[in-house]
Amino acid sequence: QVHLVQSGPEVKKPGASVKVSCKASGYMFTYYGINWVRQLPGQGPEWMGWISSHNGDTEYGQKFRGRLTMTTDTPTSTVFMELGSLRFDDTAVYYCARSGRTTGTTRPFEHWGQGTLVTVSS
Amino acid sequence: SYVLTQPPSVSVAPGQAATITCGGNDIGSKSVHWYQQKPGQAPLLVVQDDTDRPSGIPERFSGTNSGNTATLTISRVEAGDEADYYCQVRDGGNGYVFGIGTKVTVL
Repeated sequence: QVHLVQSGPEVKKPGASVKVSCKASGYMFTYYGINWVRQLPGQGPEWMGWISSHNGDTEYGQKFRGRLTMTTDTPTSTVFMELGSLRFDDTAVYYCARSGRTTGTTRPFEHWGQGTLVTVSS
Repeated sequence: SYVLTQPPSVSVAPGQAATITCGGNDIGSKSVHWYQQKPGQAPLLVVQDDTDRPSGIPERFSGTNSGNTATLTISRVEAGDEADYYCQVRDGGNGYVFGIGTKVTVL
């Protein structure tokens, strides 16, 4: 079955960058895209961006443009999310979630990773 | 940006139906997805494309979407349905948008 396994928790200082991985298994990696969603403490999900595992196309939420980078490594079926210039209010659980593989996809997020807690602290 | 409005909370007795609304401008023209999230867990897709249930989701979960309101109905509510529920749509080139969530409490 489909599994998305994320890297472990991170603690970073303000101004630093964090890179979280999401390793996919149980399906054809290049047939889908991967989204990154974060959830601040006590808040609802917030979509950050999407990357096509098919061709590497990306869409970034306006709020994150300029400090968010998503990449994909097809041989290992892994997607990476790097968020830079971290601030205290970036402390959140970050999830990867699978959806469609084409730009502008409206497909739902059928499968999610287990989440990665990123704490920004001085 | 597109805004989705949900009631903060809904309370329901076991065996009764819970109705959760998701309001948005002309949301009936969009595909609405619904997620259930329990504490400490990732969200779980319970309804996709307005009305369809993913494999493994009980028939008790159903959805509608028309005009400016989408609705998730949980029939014959059970204690295990207690969770936060979020609606989601695609807002064109602005990406995906989630509602603020509705906490369902089973009395």
